[in-house]
Parts: sequence; C-alpha cells; structure tokens
Amino acid sequence: QLQLQESGPGLVKPSETLSLTCTVSGDSISSSTYYWGWIRQPPGKGLEWIGSVYYSGSTYYNPSLKSRVIISVDTSKNQFSLKVTSVTAADTAVYYCARVVKVTDYLDYWGQGTLVTVSS
Amino acid sequence: QSALTQPRSVSGSPGQSVTISCTGTSSDIGGYNYVSWYQQNPGKAPKLIIYDVIKRPSGVPARFSGSKSGNTASLTISGLQAEDEADYYCCSYAAEYTVVFGGGTKLTVL
Repeated sequence: QLQLQESGPGLVKPSETLSLTCTVSGDSISSSTYYWGWIRQPPGKGLEWIGSVYYSGSTYYNPSLKSRVIISVDTSKNQFSLKVTSVTAADTAVYYCARVVKVTDYLDYWGQGTLVTVSS
Repeated sequence: QSALTQPRSVSGSPGQSVTISCTGTSSDIGGYNYVSWYQQNPGKAPKLIIYDVIKRPSGVPARFSGSKSGNTASLTISGLQAEDEADYYCCSYAAEYTVVFGGGTKLTVL
C-alpha cells in the first residue's frame, strides 16, 4: 500500500526558509506514470497547489509561488522535498505531499499533512 | 491562475440529492476533461472521490457522480447520508502541468 509521510520543522521564523521532505513507501518514486506534488492549506481555508516534480527532476510550479519555491527529488532515498524561501505568516499552513497521476493530473494518494507555523 | 469558484456551503436532508458546482474558465475546466473532486473531513487529508470528470476510484460509492458542461463542473451526491458531511474541493488541470483548486464547499447534512 502506497504511503506518503511529510517531515520537517513545525515552526519557522519570518524571512527564513521552510523545508519539508516527503518520504514515499510502497512504490518507486521513479515510476514514469506519476508526478509528486505539494499542496498547502492555511488554517480554516482552502487547498492551494504549490507544485510538482517528476522523477527526472523536471518541476512545475504555481505561478503565484514560483519565485519562492523549489521542489526537488532524491530517487536514491525515494523522497522529494519542498523549500519555500522568505516566509511570512501567510505561509502558515498544513502542507501535504501527494502522488499526481500523469496526463490527467489528479491526486490519488496524499500524506497526512504537517502543520508549519511561521512565527518569531 | 485564479482559484475555481465553488459555493461556500450547501445542505440537504438524508436521502436527498445535492449538487456542488465548480466554475472555471476555458483555460482550465473548459479546456480539458481533467476535473477531479476531493472530500475532506476535519483534521484529515483530502480523499479523491472523482477523477477525469466522471470516474470513481475503487471503493467510492456510486452515490457520488461528476459531470461537466462548458466551464462548469459539478459533483452530485445522491441518497445523502450523514457520513457525507464534509468539505468538498474541485480541481482542474490548468495547462503546463499545473493544477488549480476550487475554494471548497462545506456540505451540511440536516
């Protein structure tokens, strides 16, 4: 059974960089059928797609976040990662990683999510 | 890339049918048959319930159905049950390997 697990600091200071990792188990991240994505949800608000990465390293970002986001993949560890630079309180959210089915781009498996709070 | 438009809330009584709309543009919903829907219970991760506009993943009850007309997609839940009370989000492919979500709809079962 495929499982995704987010990990990383739960508290980040303003202006610093938020870093999260998603560990995939039960499937190879090198599958040509899927992308691997990040989504966030501010408290009490809706979902926002951040971006995705293919096993080859190709990345695709939400245009509104593109200037501050870096998504990368480590196939040797079956992991992919998210970095958001210059964070503010507006970046406080539950961050989810998910598997994205290629071509039609639906998200069929999700991690449980991890809350990241931006505060000094 | 603007969020898709959903009603903030809908409600229905057990056994009734409810429909949640999701309006986008010709650059997302109207341009592709790649709409998906997610159910989210409080404190939980979203769960896929519809993909490719009309398809249901294994294990999702047939009470859940999807459709699309022009720039608007819809999720219909027939034979409403108390356990269907949750937040629902639509999502569409939006070109260049990006996706966009709707703002979410809270379903209340009366």
